[in-house]
Amino acid sequence: EIVLTQSPGTLSLSPGERATLSCRASQSVSSSYLAWYQQKPGQAPRLLIYGASSRATGIPDRFSGSGSGTDFTLTISRLEPEDFAVYYCQQYGSPGRTFGPGTKVDIK
Amino acid sequence: QVTLRESGPALVKPTQTLTLTCTFSGFSLSTSGMCVSWIRQPPGKALEWLALIDWDDDKYYSTSLKTRLTISKDTSKNQVVLTMTNMDPVDTATYYCARMDIRVYAFDIWGQGTMVTVSS
Repeated sequence: EIVLTQSPGTLSLSPGERATLSCRASQSVSSSYLAWYQQKPGQAPRLLIYGASSRATGIPDRFSGSGSGTDFTLTISRLEPEDFAVYYCQQYGSPGRTFGPGTKVDIK
Repeated sequence: QVTLRESGPALVKPTQTLTLTCTFSGFSLSTSGMCVSWIRQPPGKALEWLALIDWDDDKYYSTSLKTRLTISKDTSKNQVVLTMTNMDPVDTATYYCARMDIRVYAFDIWGQGTMVTVSS
């Protein structure tokens, strides 16, 4: 089963700063099968990025995804107050559809 | 508009079997490419994928929980049911159902989740 590792565990930044979140897989993942989600307290996760780099419907263009193979990145170009949340990467493979442990982006 | 809603008991006793129902609207699980999955999240912890069923009635399970899980669908009722046997306090979590469209291979629409506590 593919294991996803996310770093850092917590990212402390100020509004307006750039956030770079990493997701590393234990074996190669097809770019088509890598997604990113945002979760705020008390809410269900929300799909941000699918296919490693495609934004989901309604997602602002300050969110971008990149990467291939075993290394993927979510970048938030300029943090808005509503972006402080936990971010998860997820892969769709066989046999599982595993999630990473998450990166918390909090206000510095 | 696509919506999903989870339902089931809020409290189960250790060793009991949990049965959760996901009732959805706005799409059909008989449509090619549509899937519904169950994902859970213990309090303060990360998301954990559990199971997925697709339009062709193919089923996929978490390796670590495979022996305890059964996923099924009733296309006529627009429902997906998850059963988990031999519940333990460590299974206390919010359980979500979510749609996956294989055009994106991601969980694009989620239910609000239902909290299940395992306690005697």
